[in-house]
Amino acid sequence: ETGVTQSPTHLIKTRGQQVTLRCSSQSGHNTVSWYQQALGQGPQFIFQYYREEENGRGNFPPRFSGLQFPNYSSELNVNALELDDSALYLCASSKVGQVEETQYFGPGTRLLVL
Amino acid sequence: AQSVTQLGSHVSVSEGALVLLRCNYSSSVPPYLFWYVQYPNQGLQLLLKYTTGATLVKGINGFEAEFKKSETSFHLTKPSAHMSDAAEYFCAVRNAGNMLTFGGGTRLMVKP
Repeated sequence: ETGVTQSPTHLIKTRGQQVTLRCSSQSGHNTVSWYQQALGQGPQFIFQYYREEENGRGNFPPRFSGLQFPNYSSELNVNALELDDSALYLCASSKVGQVEETQYFGPGTRLLVL
Repeated sequence: AQSVTQLGSHVSVSEGALVLLRCNYSSSVPPYLFWYVQYPNQGLQLLLKYTTGATLVKGINGFEAEFKKSETSFHLTKPSAHMSDAAEYFCAVRNAGNMLTFGGGTRLMVKP
């Protein structure tokens, strides 16, 4: 069984740039959630995708957007990067229809905005 | 809205000692509760979960947690700490939309 994978592992951008992060869900899963984890804090929910549509959103501005593809992989796009966007971005996959819908996390992408 | 509070941002124990990491939650619906562990420079690994049924749940690496509705708690324990248990531990509650709300985390340090 293939776990959740993310790319790239690390990324350095400058303020104002745009970035795209990628996630491949675990085999058999159909839902992808994205979280932002700032240094020393717990992860915060950004949004979730199911059937290629946004299925819930946390308290993040519209410059955070996403996509889900037919193979259930997903992208997180962040426009107009700000210094505070520096964080570990975690992707988690789960399967709608399972009672617990447990989320399994990837290793994350560490983004540094200079 | 659901929320999670983890008491103690840092916990230090000696190798072989009891590990107790505290988690209290608030939820307007019967909660689904999770503990995840994060090793340095890695993602989150599921330790254990409570959904329904037995209130004492066992997880990986010898950890267990007990759901106490009356105390709105879901504390994580391990009878005997090992050096490899040193990591950051996060408690989380799941809402109706399958969004996880995490606590601020507890860093566990294990002294030899």
